[in-house]
Amino acid sequence: AQSVTQPDIHITVSEGASLELRCNYSYGATPYLFWYVQSPGQGLQLLLKYFSGDTLVQGIKGFEAEFKRSQSSFNLRKPSVHWSDAAEYFCARSGGYQKVTFGIGTKLQVIP
Amino acid sequence: DAGVTQSPTHLIKTRGQQVTLRCSPKSGHDTVSWYQQALGQGPQFIFQYYEEEERQRGNFPDRFSGHQFPNYSSELNVNALLLGDSALYLCASSSRTDSYNSPLHFGNGTRLTVT
Repeated sequence: AQSVTQPDIHITVSEGASLELRCNYSYGATPYLFWYVQSPGQGLQLLLKYFSGDTLVQGIKGFEAEFKRSQSSFNLRKPSVHWSDAAEYFCARSGGYQKVTFGIGTKLQVIP
Repeated sequence: DAGVTQSPTHLIKTRGQQVTLRCSPKSGHDTVSWYQQALGQGPQFIFQYYEEEERQRGNFPDRFSGHQFPNYSSELNVNALLLGDSALYLCASSSRTDSYNSPLHFGNGTRLTVT
């Protein structure tokens, strides 16, 4: 079965510091990959998606992610974190007809 | 343009009872998927509806059932509630004709507590 692994459950960074959240996916042809963000008590908002083509994808709120097939990874990055980025981040992959498999999530804490 | 709306926002039920959750998709979307998000977990796929039929189903028992109406809105029904059904239930909509993997748009969810 297709799966997504987020090895870091909780990450703390200082405001203004750079951020990288890790995501690994199980092997599968042409993975469709996503990063979503969830604020407390809210639904999920799409940050960015990768379907094909350029392996560095830009998203909203200054986030980017790089697809690396050789490492089965799709890590999320941001050069400078803001306090408002504190939330939970989910990596996900898509199977057939939009069934999406999510990772367990990484909770980001931003300290001043 | 309204996004995905879900009702109610919170619900408290007793073990053994039945519950119905409702979802209206984003305008222009024809496909509705339901996810269960337990505390501290990522969302788990329950099922997806398109053209008023269940198209895909995740690893959930038959106590979980659904329906899609001609206006594309959807209901999730859970019978014989268990304590373990306590979770945030998320509805997501998308357009099947937009692309094979058009991104999901999520509602804010219904928080179900079973006591």
